[in-house]
Amino acid sequence: DAKTTQPPSMDCAEGRAANLPCNHSTISGNEYVYWYRQIHSQGPQYIIHGLKNNETNEMASLIITEDRKSSTLILPHATLRDTAVYYCIVRVGGTFNAGNMLTFGGGTRLMVKP
Amino acid sequence: EAGVTQFPSHSVIEKGQTVTLRCDPISGHDNLYWYRRVMGKEIKFLLHFVKESKQDESGMPNNRFLAERTGGTYSTLKVQPAELEDSGVYFCASSQDIQRGTDTQYFGPGTRLTVL
Repeated sequence: DAKTTQPPSMDCAEGRAANLPCNHSTISGNEYVYWYRQIHSQGPQYIIHGLKNNETNEMASLIITEDRKSSTLILPHATLRDTAVYYCIVRVGGTFNAGNMLTFGGGTRLMVKP
Repeated sequence: EAGVTQFPSHSVIEKGQTVTLRCDPISGHDNLYWYRRVMGKEIKFLLHFVKESKQDESGMPNNRFLAERTGGTYSTLKVQPAELEDSGVYFCASSQDIQRGTDTQYFGPGTRLTVL
């Protein structure tokens, strides 16, 4: 079962920042926070991941609270093409042992509106 | 660099028939994963290969599903015989070795399987 909680849907105006929250209150010290998105029926697309420090790449920023119990994915200037389902996933790192798969929940359906 | 590719993109078969799905991972990626989404449900893990070895097949639903990865390159997932409940989208993902403490999985476009 998914270890994260996300709002089922959010709206964002085109050109504005989209801030997608995720709660992972039971996260363990060796678990990473991953974000993926699925646009329509395409394959999930990797966005960003982090352990405890904030991370930024060309797609988004990931802000993780100090206690690591929640995080926020930020799309700085949302476009219509960012309309998708966004998945926040926690996953153990440092091992390829059994149980290291990605566990998807329901995600947040982000609708970017003109 | 080519991404993960999957073939076919769509497959429509009748109940009781056999279907084989193929996944070509990103070149050099030792880890290959299969996932699927059945109608109305969440994406679920099926199994994980490290090179040609099955590392974790805890998500395989039953013995009608057989996955192989001979030579540690591409992988096939065979469903025999197919049942109606097998309909869904089958995704493949691949990843390299652990870097910065973890590996990142990159997904293919999926194969949409419809069993009639």
